[in-house]
Amino acid sequence: QQQVKQSPQSLIVQKGGISIINCAYENTAFDYFPWYQQFPGKGPALLIAIRPDVSEKKEGRFTISFNKSAKQFSLHIMDSQPGDSATYFCAASTGANSKLTFGKGITLSVRP
Amino acid sequence: DAGITQSPRHKVTETGTPVTLRCHQTENHRYMYWYRQDPGHGLRLIHYSYGVKDTDKGEVSDGYSVSRSKTEDFLLTLESATSSQTSVYFCAISARLYGYTFGSGTRLTVV
Repeated sequence: QQQVKQSPQSLIVQKGGISIINCAYENTAFDYFPWYQQFPGKGPALLIAIRPDVSEKKEGRFTISFNKSAKQFSLHIMDSQPGDSATYFCAASTGANSKLTFGKGITLSVRP
Repeated sequence: DAGITQSPRHKVTETGTPVTLRCHQTENHRYMYWYRQDPGHGLRLIHYSYGVKDTDKGEVSDGYSVSRSKTEDFLLTLESATSSQTSVYFCAISARLYGYTFGSGTRLTVV
């Protein structure tokens, strides 16, 4: 059973547009929800994270929106740039130092 | 990535041979993890460690073993490599409240 599901599987956005990646989870005990960004040949890097006591968190052009009742959270990338082209993983855990369960990842391509 | 080093970066090995991958950290973090990354499967946890000599299995642990005799080193061993273990292997470390820091990965090919 896949506990964390991402959608869509891939995404193509024009430069300057908004990229939206969604994630749904099963385990209601999850209380930490990070997004990771991975460039080819590199390890994933923490982009932004949220806890369920807030509905939204913004860091620069990146925003996480969290809907506890729907068990969903999403990543919004405003003013998308070609340099944002990467693989994005959502993840969840029952604490910041507990093992993360990852989604399968989505590939974002931002066209110039 | 700063503070975490994986070796080797690339390895080609033959079916049936043992292989050991090394993860070394300089951050003194308590938690260390081994994941494998495969197309269509994302990142899947193999084994993890909560401290020296304290390890546990993840979701895809069959065929793998780990050891952690020092805080800074976490070794992943494929006892008898198979073609299904061809993958990119990532080590990660974490400290409370800061999430994971991943290494740069080891690309393993079993022929």
